[in-house]
Amino acid sequence: KNEVEQSPQNLTAQEGEFITINCSYSVGISALHWLQQHPGGGIVSLFMLSSGKKKHGRLIATINIQEKHSSLHITASHPRDSAVYICAVRSPAEGNTGNQFYFGTGTSLTVIP
Amino acid sequence: DGGITQSPKYLFRKEGQNVTLSCEQNLNHDAMYWYRQDPGQGLRLIYYSQIVNDFQKGDIAEGYSVSREKKESFPLTVTSAQKNPTAFYLCASSSTERSPLHFGNGTRLTVT
Repeated sequence: KNEVEQSPQNLTAQEGEFITINCSYSVGISALHWLQQHPGGGIVSLFMLSSGKKKHGRLIATINIQEKHSSLHITASHPRDSAVYICAVRSPAEGNTGNQFYFGTGTSLTVIP
Repeated sequence: DGGITQSPKYLFRKEGQNVTLSCEQNLNHDAMYWYRQDPGQGLRLIYYSQIVNDFQKGDIAEGYSVSREKKESFPLTVTSAQKNPTAFYLCASSSTERSPLHFGNGTRLTVT
C-alpha cells in the first residue's frame, strides 16, 4: 500500500496545453511538496504547502486537506517543462522527533513542440 | 551558492566490494537524508540524521551504513551485504520541519 498515489503515471501534451497532475495521500501530514526531477536526475523543490493554493509563474499547486488531495497545474506548457513531477508528503513519525517523507512514484511529463 | 554536492555522479563497482557515496552540504541544515530511487518506485529512505553524531535507520537500511561526524557531511557506505545495490542514490537535507527538502544531483551506482 502506497501512502502517496499520483496520477497519471505518464502524460504527453502539446505545447501550450493546460496540464494537471493529481496526488492523493492516506497519512496525516504537516506539509505536501511538489518536486521536479529532470533527466539528469537532480530534484528541485517546486512547492511546499499545507493549505490552499500557491502560484509560481505558470505553475499552480492546490491542496484540499479534508479530501487528502493535491493538484499541480501547468498553464501554457512548454517543452522545457518535460520532467518527472513527484508528490511528497511530510508526515509526523511515531516514536521519534523527526518527520518522515513519503513519496509518490512520479508523473513523467513530455511536452511536444 | 549554497547547495548539496554528491560525488561521484557515476560509480562502478564489482560485486563484493564496499563503496562510499559522498554527500556534502553548505546550507547549515541539521537534517540529512539518503534515498534510493529505482524505476517505477517512489524514493525510499535508507538512513536519516537529525543532528551530528546521531542517525536513524529508514525503511531499507539493511546492507547500508552511514556516519554523521560533521554537520556538513553524511556519507553512505553500500556494503557487500546489500543484495541489490545497483540504483540511483539521492542525498537531501532540510533545516526545519517547515522547510522544503533540498536534493543533491544524485549518484548512479552500478555493481556488476
